[in-house]
Amino acid sequence: AQSVTQPDIHITVSEGASLELRCNYSYGATPYLFWYVQSPGQGLQLLLKYFSGDTLVQGIKGFEAEFKRSQSSFNLRKPSVHWSDAAEYFCAVGATNKLIFGTGTLLAVQP
Amino acid sequence: EAGVAQSPRYKIIEKRQSVAFWCNPISGHATLYWYQQILGQGPKLLIQFQNNGVVDDSQLPKDRFSAERLKGVDSTLKIQPAKLEDSAVYLCASSLLIGTRADTQYFGPGTRLTVL
Repeated sequence: AQSVTQPDIHITVSEGASLELRCNYSYGATPYLFWYVQSPGQGLQLLLKYFSGDTLVQGIKGFEAEFKRSQSSFNLRKPSVHWSDAAEYFCAVGATNKLIFGTGTLLAVQP
Repeated sequence: EAGVAQSPRYKIIEKRQSVAFWCNPISGHATLYWYQQILGQGPKLLIQFQNNGVVDDSQLPKDRFSAERLKGVDSTLKIQPAKLEDSAVYLCASSLLIGTRADTQYFGPGTRLTVL
């Protein structure tokens, strides 16, 4: 079955600390993977995507993600978190006709 | 380039009433999607259009939900009659290509529906 799992429902980090959000996927073919961010009252904004090639993908706002086929993972990272990064983050896999989303990770940033 | 537009942003109705949402995709985008996002969950696809034809509506509760895409551009999603469990954010998205797995979907701000 096609699915995306985000094991962490809620994460709190201090401003300036590093961040890693976990994502595991289940998909029978080559996965197309996405990370989106959703700020309160806003729609989803694409942070980055992986289709093929280099397994380390750079995105907007200083985010990066690494695709690890052996672990079926696509974890999102940022070396230094800013207060404006507080939001909900969704990992998704591109399936026929749609995106399949995880349940999201809510990120809180402490001053 | 203008993004995906949706209206209204918020709607509160009583159960058994009807409601309609409107979406205007990015100009030139062939594919339009409606997703339902229940609190605490990721978005789930309700229906996908390519131009003005329906590609996938397998997850649309057709006894109460309907959707159309006029002239392959704007789209409306209607619920009649609404139930309590329809309370959610309804997201519209569009993509340039014809529904490939790799196509990037661009999302609107969503309509938050509360059914009392």
